[in-house]
Amino acid sequence: AQSVTQLDSQVPVFEEAPVELRCNYSSSVSVYLFWYVQYPNQGLQLLLKYLSGSTLVKGINGFEAEFNKSQTSFHLRKPSVHISDTAEYFCAVTRTTSGTYKYIFGTGTRLKVLA
Amino acid sequence: DTGVSQDPRHKITKRGQNVTFRCDPISEHNRLYWYRQTLGQGPEFLTYFQNEAQLEKSRLLSDRFSAERPKGSFSTLEIQRTEQGDSAMYLCASSLEGFRYGYTFGSGTRLTVV
Repeated sequence: AQSVTQLDSQVPVFEEAPVELRCNYSSSVSVYLFWYVQYPNQGLQLLLKYLSGSTLVKGINGFEAEFNKSQTSFHLRKPSVHISDTAEYFCAVTRTTSGTYKYIFGTGTRLKVLA
Repeated sequence: DTGVSQDPRHKITKRGQNVTFRCDPISEHNRLYWYRQTLGQGPEFLTYFQNEAQLEKSRLLSDRFSAERPKGSFSTLEIQRTEQGDSAMYLCASSLEGFRYGYTFGSGTRLTVV
């Protein structure tokens, strides 16, 4: 079975500062990895995904993430955050061999950008 | 195409009543998923359709829950005899065959059982 751990439930950061949101996963099989963002009362929007290839993945809105297989991590980073980045961020995994491709999500990290 | 649509956005119902939610996926997407999200948690998988066939159901989906996707287009999720524990955001997502594209999620239906 797979599991996803997002250790930080809330991360406050000042505007224009860098941020890292941590994600660790556990799986006995190979997985695809994703980060989604959720704004209040909305669905989830895909930020970026790791399927294969380069371990550094760039996504939308200036976010990037690095896949580290040895540490089973997929941390999300942004060098300079904006007030508009305030939202909930979810890390998710799915088995590469799954016919369903259902996600296992972490519990989320609430990013609050302060002026 | 404007993405995945869900209706209604909000639903308040009394305990014991039946409710039905609708999801209209992106038209060319043959895969459709339902997830449930409770406060402070990540979404949890409920069920998956490929075209009109329901291929997987989570153990979270009790006998009171049923989902359909007639003709492989829109989908409905019905909850019978609602309980307070059913209060949650119900999210629908769709994707193309070949998973490289990931999902597109709808905005969700927020259910409150009073």
